[in-house]
Amino acid sequence: KAGVTQTPRYLIKTRGQQVTLSCSPISGHRSVSWYQQTPGQGLQFLFEYFSETQRNKGNFPGRFSGRQFSNSRSEMNVSTLELGDSALYLCASMRGDTQETQYFGPGTRLLVL
Amino acid sequence: SQQGEEDPQALSIQEGENATMNCSYKTSINNLQWYRQNSGRGLVHLILIRSNEREKHSGRLRVTLDTSKKSSSLLITASRAADTASYFCATDGNSGYALNFGKGTSLLVTP
Repeated sequence: KAGVTQTPRYLIKTRGQQVTLSCSPISGHRSVSWYQQTPGQGLQFLFEYFSETQRNKGNFPGRFSGRQFSNSRSEMNVSTLELGDSALYLCASMRGDTQETQYFGPGTRLLVL
Repeated sequence: SQQGEEDPQALSIQEGENATMNCSYKTSINNLQWYRQNSGRGLVHLILIRSNEREKHSGRLRVTLDTSKKSSSLLITASRAADTASYFCATDGNSGYALNFGKGTSLLVTP
């Protein structure tokens, strides 16, 4: 099976812009989670979607949003970018019917100037 | 929030030696997972241990879990230079589907 894919891999934006990141889960997986990784805060959970519904949400401002499509692909959007949003954004997928292994994609590295 | 805490933060060993990393967490869990990350890339899943398991093996990896102490350890036997990476433990905590990660242990294996 193909693994989790994320696009784009690298992105440079300026403050105030918005950005959309995409994640395609492993075939058959219905859950997609998003995480932010920074040197200072480490890996932090953003949100999780299962069958197009947000099932869990982390402690991030409303500028961070996401959605999931009927084919389980997911997008996350960050509006009004701030310098502190520079990070590696990782998406993970799992089957979703039980709590189990999450498989991660290669990540999107976002740099906000 | 960071629930897991790995110890040590950094570890440097020579090829052939064993590497042991520890993880402590705060709340009850359903399972605990260990991941490896090379140079800021994606996370590679290593092993999952459920709360009712005490020990699990996978190749050169051995994971233990002590739920009474809320701690886990990852042992890599006969380390190789290719094992150089950051290692993270992740717990599912009370939310079930959101993983809580520690800050990781940076392992350097020198030839």
